[in-house]
Amino acid sequence: GDSVTQMEGPVTLSEEAFLTINCTYTATGYPSLFWYVQYPGEGLQLLLKATKADDKGSNKGFEATYRKETTSFHLEKGSVQVSDSAVYFCALRTTGGFKTIFGAGTRLFVKA
Amino acid sequence: EADIYQTPRYLVIGTGKKITLECSQTMGHDKMYWYQQDPGMELHLIHYSYGVNSTEKGDLSSESTVSRIRTEHFPLTLESARPSHTSQYLCASSGGQGAANTIYFGEGSWLTVV
Repeated sequence: GDSVTQMEGPVTLSEEAFLTINCTYTATGYPSLFWYVQYPGEGLQLLLKATKADDKGSNKGFEATYRKETTSFHLEKGSVQVSDSAVYFCALRTTGGFKTIFGAGTRLFVKA
Repeated sequence: EADIYQTPRYLVIGTGKKITLECSQTMGHDKMYWYQQDPGMELHLIHYSYGVNSTEKGDLSSESTVSRIRTEHFPLTLESARPSHTSQYLCASSGGQGAANTIYFGEGSWLTVV
């Protein structure tokens, strides 16, 4: 069945460091891929998405490229801030699919 | 900004009490969902709905029940709360049929059963 695998956390970085959170997926058909962010005590918010191969989603300095050949959608940011501390979820949704499949989440701590 | 609202945000209740968590969305979405999540951990789908009068159990077994009498409203009820029900409950909705359709979340309801 469809699934999403994320790198385990927590990830701890210093402010202004480069961030990569790995995400790979298994899916039939042609899924859309998403990154969601969850700040402490809140629900999930859409961070970015990509709907077809080679698309790049970007928002708030974060980027992720839909790589069909490696079935990956890694999240990157060139310079993290303390305010980026949160849990990040990779997700997919397939054509005609009813459910969104979420990864287990990766917690990011950014220290000043 | 997503227009999906959950109440209460925080609730502490005694064992054996009946509780209802409310969820409303103003986006006209046909699909709605309830997830259970321990803080910062995996999301577990416990209920979903395709539309009015349609409800299904999710991937994680739950003693809660749901109803969908109106498109915009998807309440979750626990008839007799227990400490094992302590968790965060997230309501979500989405519209359309395509893979690109985004799922939108409410801010969550934190339930503590003592």
